[in-house]
Amino acid sequence: NAGVMQNPRHLVRRRGQEARLRCSPVKGHSHVYWYRQLPEEGLKFMVYLQKENIIDESGMPKERFSAEFPKEGPSILRIQQVVRGDSAAYFCASSPGVGQDTEAFFGQGTRLTVV
Amino acid sequence: GDSVTQMEGPVTLSEEAFLTINCTYTATGYPSLFWYVQYPGEGLQLLLKATKADDKGSNKGFEATYRKETTSFHLEKGSVQVSDSAVYFCALGTSYGKLTFGQGTILTVHP
Repeated sequence: NAGVMQNPRHLVRRRGQEARLRCSPVKGHSHVYWYRQLPEEGLKFMVYLQKENIIDESGMPKERFSAEFPKEGPSILRIQQVVRGDSAAYFCASSPGVGQDTEAFFGQGTRLTVV
Repeated sequence: GDSVTQMEGPVTLSEEAFLTINCTYTATGYPSLFWYVQYPGEGLQLLLKATKADDKGSNKGFEATYRKETTSFHLEKGSVQVSDSAVYFCALGTSYGKLTFGQGTILTVHP
């Protein structure tokens, strides 16, 4: 059984370019969460999506960041016009349902470096 | 808002030593509590969880008890191994699965 798959594992972008991070959830999971881990910090919630819907984007920066989870295909986190401060590890998690005791399954993350 | 505070790290121990990593939380309502572990270069893996007051979560020799009166969920292990070296995150869960994490504690175990 495949777990959460994220790609690429490592991504290098120059300032001003776009970064597209992909996340394929566990098969059958329809709930996806994105988190960002800055160096030496814990994970911070960014956005929660269900198929074709953004449920909670309270942790997303207001500009340059967007996320989608289409009916078909992986969830995408897009960062436009990247800046050095966007350098971080971005983790995707999926779950089979909702509930405060529901286990979230995490991918291995995409490590974005902006040069 | 919800928040989680973990003890400052890093923590360095010798093999077979006793481990405690403190975790306290602030939350509205009655959240579920989790410990996740992150090995170098990897994603997070669920270590254990507790869903209500006085529940004890346990896995691989690790234990944590949900203490509502002290709003704590401290992680303990009686005898650590080198293979336990990792980053440990305490987290609380909301009604729709969103997790709020502590800052993480780096554990290094020496032979």
